[in-house]
Order: sequence, then structure tokens, then C-alpha cells
Amino acid sequence: QQQVKQSPQSLIVQKGGISIINCAYENTAFDYFPWYQQFPGKGPALLIAIRPDVSEKKEGRFTISFNKSAKQFSLHIMDSQPGDSATYFCAAAGGGTGNQFYFGTGTSLTVIP
Amino acid sequence: NAGVTQTPKFRVLKTGQSMTLLCAQDMNHEYMYWYRQDPGMGLRLIHYSVGEGTTAKGEVPDGYNVSRLKKQNFLLGLESAAPSQTSVYFCASTRTGTYEQYFGPGTRLTVT
Repeated sequence: QQQVKQSPQSLIVQKGGISIINCAYENTAFDYFPWYQQFPGKGPALLIAIRPDVSEKKEGRFTISFNKSAKQFSLHIMDSQPGDSATYFCAAAGGGTGNQFYFGTGTSLTVIP
Repeated sequence: NAGVTQTPKFRVLKTGQSMTLLCAQDMNHEYMYWYRQDPGMGLRLIHYSVGEGTTAKGEVPDGYNVSRLKKQNFLLGLESAAPSQTSVYFCASTRTGTYEQYFGPGTRLTVT
């Protein structure tokens, strides 16, 4: 059973537009929800993360929205830029998982100039 | 401060051969992880360690073994490689009390 489901698989956005990636999780014990950004040939890098006690977290152009009751969270990239073109992964960790991380399947984002 | 490093960067094996992937971190992190990344499947946890001398199974541990003899190193072994183990392998580490996970640059393994 996949613990974290991510959509869409791929996304194409015009420069300046808003990119939205969604994730849903199963285990209500998770207490940490990060997003990672990965460029080709590189390892994933932590972009932004949220705990379930807040509904939104913003860092620059990147915002996480969190809906605890729906067990969903999403990444919003405002004013998307060509340099944002990458693969984005959501994940969930904590609770009773013993520090294990469960990742979504990834979203390939392309920002067209 | 090199962060998380992985050796080697690329490797080609024949079916049945064995090899060891080395992960090293210089951040004094307690937790270390090995993941595999396959197209359309995200990152899947193979094994992890919560401290020197300890290891635990993740989601996809079959066919792999690990050891954490030193706090800074986490080794991933393939005793008898199979084509299904063709993948990109990532090591990661986190500090106790945080969930901030730092990844290495990856090892691309091809098993023919």
C-alpha cells in the first residue's frame, strides 16, 4: 500500500504562472511533511517542510498548504521560473514510523519561458 | 564540510557479481538511509540506521545488506546482483531530533 500518493506525474507551466503539486497520505501518525527538489543527475534537496499543527508555510515563492482532515498537502510555486524546472517529491515521516520517510512518486515540472 | 558523499558514482555489474556502495557523512548525523530511485516510483527506502552498530529494514530490503561500523559511514552491499537491482541509489542522513534529510549525489548502478 502506497503511503504517499502524488499528482500530477508531470506539469507544464508558463513562466510567471503558478505550479501546484498535490500529495495525499495514509498514516495519520505522520508528523513531518517535506518537499524535495531534484535536478537531473543530482540528489534530492530539501525545499520546504511543514508540521501538521499549521495549515500553511511560506518560504519565498514556495508555499505548502496542509489539510489535516483530508490528509492532503500541496506545494504551490508562485511566479514559476524556468530555473524551477525539476522533479519535485513530497514525503511524509515521523509518528510511529521510527524516522522512516515515505516518498511520493514525483512530479516533473517544466516551466516554459 | 562535504556533506554526504557516495562512492562510486557509476558502476556496471554482471548478474551474480557482488559489490559494496559506500556512503560517508561529515555532519555527525545519527540517522543514515539508503534509497533506490526508479522511474515512476519515487524513492524507496532499502535500509536505514539510527546509530552506529544498528540497522533496520525499510520498504524494499530483499537482496541488500548494510553495515554501520562507524558513525560516519553506511555501507550497502549487493551479494549477488540481479538486473532488477539496476537503479540509482541515494544515501541520506539526518541529525537526531530533526527530520532534515541531506542526500548524497547518487550512484547509478547497471546490472547486465
